[in-house]
Amino acid sequence: NAGVTQTPKFRVLKTGQSMTLLCAQDMNHEYMYWYRQDPGMGLRLIHYSVGEGTTAKGEVPDGYNVSRLKKQNFLLGLESAAPSQTSVYFCASRPQGTYSNQPQHFGDGTRLSIL
Amino acid sequence: AQKITQTQPGMFVQEKEAVTLDCTYDTSDQSYGLFWYKQPSSGEMIFLIYQGSYDEQNATEGRYSLNFQKARKSANLVISASQLGDSAMYFCAETNGETGRRALTFGSGTRLQVQP
Repeated sequence: NAGVTQTPKFRVLKTGQSMTLLCAQDMNHEYMYWYRQDPGMGLRLIHYSVGEGTTAKGEVPDGYNVSRLKKQNFLLGLESAAPSQTSVYFCASRPQGTYSNQPQHFGDGTRLSIL
Repeated sequence: AQKITQTQPGMFVQEKEAVTLDCTYDTSDQSYGLFWYKQPSSGEMIFLIYQGSYDEQNATEGRYSLNFQKARKSANLVISASQLGDSAMYFCAETNGETGRRALTFGSGTRLQVQP
C-alpha cells in the first residue's frame, strides 16, 4: 500500500550542484504534481503532468525541470542548485476525472538544503 | 489568479471543544473544489474533507465539517470534540474544475494547538 513514494527524504547540496528528485506512484494516476513548501507558506506548484510524456509549468518553475517518461514516475531536476531552492518538496498525484473532487495524494516530502 | 486566505496563523483550543478554522477564496470560476489538508509535525499532507462549488449541502467527514458560504466565498473547517492528535497545521486549498491541470492553490495555513 505504497501510494506516492518520494526519494530521497533528505538531501544537502552545495550551490551549483545538480540532483534529481524521484516521485513514484502505484495508483495508476494520470495527474502528477511537484510542489514546494517554504516556512510560513502553503505549497506552491512548480510543475505538473497530465499524463505520460507531458509536462507543464506551474507558478514557480524557474530553476527546475521535470520529466514523465513513465506514467508512474515524475522526476524533478535541479540543474544548478541555489540557496533559494532550500525547501520541502512534495509530490502528489490524482486520478483523471471530469470533476474537481478527486483529492490529491501526497508523498511524505523531500527536505532539501542548499548550502 | 486564484487566491486562498487563511487569516489565523495560530489557534488554541481546549480538548473536547469545537474549533473553526477560517478560509476565504477568490475565484471567478463557476466550477471549483475546496479542500482541507492536515499537516502534522511529521510533515505529511493528509486529506480531510472536500466541498464542491455546486454542492448544496455542507460536507461532513466524521468530526470534520465544512461551513460553506458561497456568496461570501468562505469555506471554514469546523473540528468538533478536539483531540490532542488534532494539533497540526491545517491548509485550505482550491482546485479549478474548469482547467485541465486540477492543481491545488493553497493558503498559508493555520497552526492549531489542542490543549489538555
